[in-house]
Amino acid sequence: KQEVTQIPAALSVPEGENLVLNCSFTDSAIYNLQWFRQDPGKGLTSLLLIQSSQREQTSGRLNASLDKSSGRSTLYIAASQPGDSATYLCAVRGMDSNYQLIWGAGTKLIIKP
Amino acid sequence: ETGVTQSPTHLIKTRGQQVTLRCSSQSGHNTVSWYQQALGQGPQFIFQYYREEENGRGNFPPRFSGLQFPNYSSELNVNALELDDSALYLCASSPGPQGEGYGYTFGSGTRLTVV
Repeated sequence: KQEVTQIPAALSVPEGENLVLNCSFTDSAIYNLQWFRQDPGKGLTSLLLIQSSQREQTSGRLNASLDKSSGRSTLYIAASQPGDSATYLCAVRGMDSNYQLIWGAGTKLIIKP
Repeated sequence: ETGVTQSPTHLIKTRGQQVTLRCSSQSGHNTVSWYQQALGQGPQFIFQYYREEENGRGNFPPRFSGLQFPNYSSELNVNALELDDSALYLCASSPGPQGEGYGYTFGSGTRLTVV
């Protein structure tokens, strides 16, 4: 059974710092992994989608990597800003997961001005 | 190109009542999934529809049911509401079903409170 873990559960850093959020999964048989952002009480905004054949994806200040063999993905945020404050969730689309995304519980990120 | 829209945004119901939540998928998307997200947790998969047929279901009881229409919009129906059904309900659409490597686009959700 696929399990997804995100560490840390919460992170607070000063504005301007570069930071890394971690996501690990137990079953490497995945189609893709997706990183999302969620603001309090709101829906999910897709940030980056990495297919199983890819190693990384970049969008602006965000870079996501995928190491399928070790069951790990990282989301790198460069030059953090207060507007980056949100909860970041990763989700994997497994090959035997009944069409569902399997989610981590998220990392709550606070960027201090 | 419009995104995924959900209605209503907030809803308060009494235990035992029934509720219908609605979702319009993103243009060009034929697959819709529904998720339940309790406070402080990751979303939990309820079910998925592909071209009007349910093609995947999570660990939710039968009182959670759904429909997908020819225009690929969708409904989530919950009967006999329980207090634990209070959550954010998220709808997501995709250009294709499992196995095609597509990502999902999510709506803003419906916040359901059962009292």
